[in-house]
Amino acid sequence: EVQLVESGGGLVKPGGSLRLSCAASGFTFSSYSMNWVRQAPGKGLEWVSSISSSSSYIYYADSVKGRFTISRDNAKNSLYLQMNSLRAEDTAVYYCARDPNGYAFDIWGQGTMVTVSS
Amino acid sequence: AIQLTQSPSSLSASVGDRVTITCRASQGISSALAWYQQKPGKAPKLLIYDASSLESGVPSRFSGSGSGTDFTLTISSLQPEDFATYYCQQFNNYPQTFGQGTKVEIK
Repeated sequence: EVQLVESGGGLVKPGGSLRLSCAASGFTFSSYSMNWVRQAPGKGLEWVSSISSSSSYIYYADSVKGRFTISRDNAKNSLYLQMNSLRAEDTAVYYCARDPNGYAFDIWGQGTMVTVSS
Repeated sequence: AIQLTQSPSSLSASVGDRVTITCRASQGISSALAWYQQKPGKAPKLLIYDASSLESGVPSRFSGSGSGTDFTLTISSLQPEDFATYYCQQFNNYPQTFGQGTKVEIK
């Protein structure tokens, strides 16, 4: 079964750091671009970051640029999001998602909640 | 950044109704648009990619059309399981922005 499972969310104080992980299974992880998308409570979807299959191309939303770092380990079938200098507005459910062809995100994880609060 | 504006933001409809949701891009994006369905507490589900291609396993009552700046998601006969929030997303360039969502509620 094709599956993405996020982990690493939790409660963190403003200015703190957190590292999210996304474990992939059921497909050749190294062949796909991967992404992080977040959704603040009661709000819409926000694209956060993308990484190409070989990590050659990386993109970030302006709202997280300089604070978040996306990475992947194809040997471990895993995607990561290192989040530093966290702010209250980063509070959201964070989803990892697969991009098969540059035209859609076809597989999504169940999400992991990140709460930034003192 | 390209802005996507969905209309309406919400709508009420009955089972069996034909429903149309519009997504307008602030600049041309060719056919680089996807549509997703999201139910409360769940991850989004891909419905349509490349503006009009139906994702495998998605019922044929869902269809997408458009190119350039104006796009449409149509549900030909609304079913009880279709009550959800729908989002468009553009893939023409980064950031890969989403529309604000359209909530489809039971009338």
